[in-house]
Amino acid sequence: QKEVEQNSGPLSVPEGAIASLNCTYSDRGSQSFFWYRQYSGKSPELIMSIYSNGDKEDGRFTAQLNKASQYVSLLIRDSQPSDSATYLCAALNTGGFKTIFGAGTRLFVKA
Amino acid sequence: GAVVSQHPSRVICKSGTSVKIECRSLDFQATTMFWYRQFPKKSLMLMATSNEGSKATYEQGVEKDKFLINHASLTLSTLTVTSAHPEDSSFYICSAEGGAESSYEQYFGPGTRLTVT
Repeated sequence: QKEVEQNSGPLSVPEGAIASLNCTYSDRGSQSFFWYRQYSGKSPELIMSIYSNGDKEDGRFTAQLNKASQYVSLLIRDSQPSDSATYLCAALNTGGFKTIFGAGTRLFVKA
Repeated sequence: GAVVSQHPSRVICKSGTSVKIECRSLDFQATTMFWYRQFPKKSLMLMATSNEGSKATYEQGVEKDKFLINHASLTLSTLTVTSAHPEDSSFYICSAEGGAESSYEQYFGPGTRLTVT
């Protein structure tokens, strides 16, 4: 069983819509969670980190964490074609403090 | 802040030669650095974790004698691919953990695309 699971996609949304990216994790003790964006041919860049249950907003991005359900999500409001990328979810594994990455969800925003 | 550089960005080498890739944290001291490889349209694969002044911890299946890692300072880690072969061709990415608000956030370098002919 993979430790961080994401739907590989592609997820296709029209420009201006809300893109919802989801992630589940298996380590119930995980306390730190991260969303990274990776454009094709480039390295990942950190978008947001979240540590507490609830929502965390940063501009057009909102990260949501539900530790009881072991679920993390990323909402992108007013999606733009430039948001088209692969989004990686990551969780800090308490056994060894290793960050485990999901395989990523490909997002396409259609103009 | 939290900028990580990587050099070279692209390298082509002949089979049997060695290639060294440098990873530097430019504006913070990185307690831990990581080396990943990524094949086209595939997910990140962690190769090893390195801490300054100590031996790197390699993931299962990664040959430590082939992928030499040196973490000489809090701002520099190097990965040397020894006796490279075509199957080593890949996108190698380093990351550094640390920065002003650490909490295990990783900041990635731009990556090195290695082609072995």
